[in-house]
Formats: sequence, structure tokens, C-alpha cells
Amino acid sequence: GNSVTQMEGPVTLSEEAFLTINCTYTATGYPSLFWYVQYPGEGLQLLLKATKADDKGSNKGFEATYRKETTSFHLEKGSVQVSDSAVYFCALIGDDGGSQGNLIFGKGTKLSVKP
Amino acid sequence: EAGVTQFPSHSVIEKGQTVTLRCDPISGHDNLYWYRRVMGKEIKFLLHFVKESKQDESGMPNNRFLAERTGGTYSTLKVQPAELEDSGVYFCASSQEAGFYTEAFFGQGTRLTVV
Repeated sequence: GNSVTQMEGPVTLSEEAFLTINCTYTATGYPSLFWYVQYPGEGLQLLLKATKADDKGSNKGFEATYRKETTSFHLEKGSVQVSDSAVYFCALIGDDGGSQGNLIFGKGTKLSVKP
Repeated sequence: EAGVTQFPSHSVIEKGQTVTLRCDPISGHDNLYWYRRVMGKEIKFLLHFVKESKQDESGMPNNRFLAERTGGTYSTLKVQPAELEDSGVYFCASSQEAGFYTEAFFGQGTRLTVV
């Protein structure tokens, strides 16, 4: 079945450091890929998405590229801020026709950015 | 525009008791999803409503869980009787469309603790 694996946290960085959170997936065909973020005390929010191979999703300085050859969708940001502290979830929606928008999530990676 | 709202935000109950969680989706969103995150694990899909009909309930763990969506508006998720392993954060999400490109809007979640 479809699954998502993301790097274990927590991740602690200093402000302005470079961020990478690894995400790989297992799925048949070409799923849609997503990064959701949960800031403290808030619900999950869509951060970015990509729906076909080689697409790059980007938002708020974050980027992720859909790599079919490595089944990966790593999240990157060149210079993190304290306000980026949150839990980040990689997710997919399968293209097998049976899914109706049902998201399959990774375990989440908690990011803490220190001033 | 109001977002997805969940009640209560926290609930602590004793094993064997009944708890009802509520979700108010974004107005006009026909699709409503329930997810659950058990501590340290992935966010898992529970079920999907389209209007008042259950489209997919393959993720419901057992018959102690009952979800309803009367009139296709708000939804409730009842756990009766609650067990210790039911503890976790229950998320509700809604979307206009349901499919491959779906962007789901999430509520803040209900943290359920069964003691």
C-alpha cells in the first residue's frame, strides 16, 4: 500500500540556518505530494504541493521538488526563522482512483528554531 | 470566512465512558474527513463523508467508533466505550472537491485522553 516516510525529529536549528527535511514515499503510479505544517496551537495548514514529476512546490520560502526517480519530496528552506518552528508533515494522495482526497501522512518532524 | 472548527479542544475521560467530538466544516464544503494521530505515530485517515453519506470508512478502527453527519453540515464522532488506546489527537478536515488535487482545510484538532 501507499506510505510516507520522513526523517525523525526533533530538528533544532539556529536562525538563518539551512533546513532540509527528508521525505520519501511508496506508491503506485504518480501520487500528489504535499507538505502540511502545524504551528503551535493551530490546525494543519497546507504549505505546498506538487502533482506531477519534476514539479516544484514553493511557499513562504520553502521548496520541495517531486522526484519520481528517487520517490522523494524533500522540504528545504535556505534561511529559517524562529517563526518557522512547527511540526511538518509530508503526505500524499494516491492516483489509484480509489482515494477520494484521503491523505496518507508521515509521522511528522518537529522543527525548533533558536534565535 | 470561518475555518474548520472542532469541539472540544481537549477531553479527558475515564476508560469505559463515552465521548462525542464535533466538527463544523467550512460552509459549502461537501467533503468532510476525520483523521487521528496517536502519540508518536502517523496521522491516520478514519473516514470520509460526501454530504451526509459515508464515502469511505475503511480507516475506522472498530465498532466502538460511530461517525455521523446529519444534513450534510456538521459531523460528530462518538467513541463508546472509550479505551486507553483511543487517546490521541482527532483532526477534522473539509474540502470542496474530493480527489487527486484536493486541498484539505484542517481544524485545530481535539486532544482526547482516556485514563
